[in-house]
Amino acid sequence: KAGVTQTPRYLIKTRGQQVTLSCSPISGHRSVSWYQQTPGQGLQFLFEYFSETQRNKGNFPGRFSGRQFSNSRSEMNVSTLELGDSALYLCASGSGTANTEAFFGQGTRLTVV
Amino acid sequence: AQSVTQLGSHVSVSEGALVLLRCNYSSSVPPYLFWYVQYPNQGLQLLLKYTTGATLVKGINGFEAEFKKSETSFHLTKPSAHMSDAAEYFCAVSEGRTGNQFYFGTGTSLTVIP
Repeated sequence: KAGVTQTPRYLIKTRGQQVTLSCSPISGHRSVSWYQQTPGQGLQFLFEYFSETQRNKGNFPGRFSGRQFSNSRSEMNVSTLELGDSALYLCASGSGTANTEAFFGQGTRLTVV
Repeated sequence: AQSVTQLGSHVSVSEGALVLLRCNYSSSVPPYLFWYVQYPNQGLQLLLKYTTGATLVKGINGFEAEFKKSETSFHLTKPSAHMSDAAEYFCAVSEGRTGNQFYFGTGTSLTVIP
């Protein structure tokens, strides 16, 4: 069974640009969550999508957005990039049942210069 | 509100020694608790989870954790450390409503000394 696939693995962007990250969940999983990991703030929840609808949202500005497609694949978009957006972005795949384990991808390392 | 505190951002143990990583949680509802491990440049891998039932939970790679409600703790242990256990460990609590929103601790970096 294939795991969670995130693309690309590495990205370098310039301040002010926008970026789109992609996540393909485990086959059959309908929940996709996104997390930002930085040395200073640790792992922070961005949002969760379930059956193409945003179900939960963390405390991030509106520059961070996402969507989910009918095949459960998800994309995360960050507009007007800031230096502080440099981080490892992790996608987590789940069945969608509350409080069950999540399966994480290897992440996308975003560097903003 | 949910929160997780991991005591000790860095822990060093000798190979073969006991591993003890501490985790305390704060939750207004019955908690669902998880331990994840992260190797360099990798995502998070589930070690074990507590949902309901038995308070001593066994996970992969010889790790186990005990849920103690009175102490609001969920410490991770392993009787004998291996070099391959060197990694970052995260304790997490899940929101008790809908979905899979995790609140993570700040992590503990485990070093295993040969």
